[in-house]
Amino acid sequence: DGGITQSPKYLFRKEGQNVTLSCEQNLNHDAMYWYRQDPGQGLRLIYYSQIVNDFQKGDIAEGYSVSREKKESFPLTVTSAQKNPTAFYLCASSRQGMGTEAFFGQGTRLTVV
Amino acid sequence: KNEVEQSPQNLTAQEGEFITINCSYSVGISALHWLQQHPGGGIVSLFMLSSGKKKHGRLIATINIQEKHSSLHITASHPRDSAVYICAVKKDSNYQLIWGAGTKLIIKP
Repeated sequence: DGGITQSPKYLFRKEGQNVTLSCEQNLNHDAMYWYRQDPGQGLRLIYYSQIVNDFQKGDIAEGYSVSREKKESFPLTVTSAQKNPTAFYLCASSRQGMGTEAFFGQGTRLTVV
Repeated sequence: KNEVEQSPQNLTAQEGEFITINCSYSVGISALHWLQQHPGGGIVSLFMLSSGKKKHGRLIATINIQEKHSSLHITASHPRDSAVYICAVKKDSNYQLIWGAGTKLIIKP
């Protein structure tokens, strides 16, 4: 079955460490997205990619980095420069075009201690 | 003003009640999604709509493209329906997803 997989579901890291969140899709989708959610808040766009080897900053890109070396994969690195990394992170993917469905990962809850 | 507005922000109801959650948007869209987020964070996609109405079990989603409005209905609500329900639209200009802030639903037994 096609789908989008985020791992792990829960992640704990020490302050000052970089951490990479995984997002893989086997849907042949061109576009992939990373969002962040803080308690009681809506989801905000961190980075998105519409094609391999290209990505764009979203609204809150500072302290994050991404790569898109393969169509299937869009890993997000939370760097030590991110001041408040503890949050829920959601990956999504979609085809370009009208009326097309987006697919969503289960999310990763990152806690930095 | 946010491009996607949900109402109400919070909703508490008794088991068995008919529930309606609303989503209004101000941009041109190619699709609208309803998602469910349980405590602990996992997100489940409920519906994708580009027109009309969809039904899945006790859940019904409708969209009115002219009025730029969608509703999510839950019939015979149950405590296990307690979750945050989120509306997200896919913009037709750049295909980006714009999210509503979510509606926190609590169903009391």
